[in-house]
Amino acid sequence: AQTVTQSQPEMSVQEAETVTLSCTYDTSESDYYLFWYKQPPSRQMILVIRQEAYKQQNATENRFSVNFQKAAKSFSLKISDSQLGDAAMYFCAYRSKEYGNKLVFGAGTILRVKS
Amino acid sequence: DTEVTQTPKHLVMGMTNKKSLKCEQHMGHRAMYWYKQKAKKPPELMFVYSYEKLSINESVPSRFSPECPNSSLLNLHLHALQPEDSALYLCASSQEGSFGTEAFFGQGTRLTVV
Repeated sequence: AQTVTQSQPEMSVQEAETVTLSCTYDTSESDYYLFWYKQPPSRQMILVIRQEAYKQQNATENRFSVNFQKAAKSFSLKISDSQLGDAAMYFCAYRSKEYGNKLVFGAGTILRVKS
Repeated sequence: DTEVTQTPKHLVMGMTNKKSLKCEQHMGHRAMYWYKQKAKKPPELMFVYSYEKLSINESVPSRFSPECPNSSLLNLHLHALQPEDSALYLCASSQEGSFGTEAFFGQGTRLTVV
């Protein structure tokens, strides 16, 4: 079964600095997607960034970028120039063709941003 | 419109009550989901509907009964719940048949069972 592991229950970052959230996953499949979702205190889960397993190039969305290491099954999220609005719970998630509509979530990392 | 709307936002119900949670989307998504989320935990998948048919039931107790009346609506009927069922219930939707696409989530219903 596919598993997603986030080993950092909580992280803190100073405003304007950079922070990296870790995620590893376990799968025997070759065709899959990885996602980072953000859940602020308002509760709504919002997609931050996605990465297709077949793409070598790391995905980037403005201040958010990933370091995707397929062989190591690692998918970390880097947030640059952190802002107070980045404070939230971040979930790494996996989805594959075999599992169709199932999103497998990691345990989550609480990110605190200090001013 | 990239919104998934859930009502009500908060619900308090007794263990003998019957209530329903509602979810609506107008993005043309044919896959819709119910998740249960406890505080500081990831969402746990409960049900998946694909083209208005139940495709996944993650062994959810029968006191939770999902319904998909049409392609835009998803309901979750609740009956004889237990206090441990208190949680945030999230609805989501996505394009069917395209596992790389984004799942859009609603803001959730905060359910308290007393």
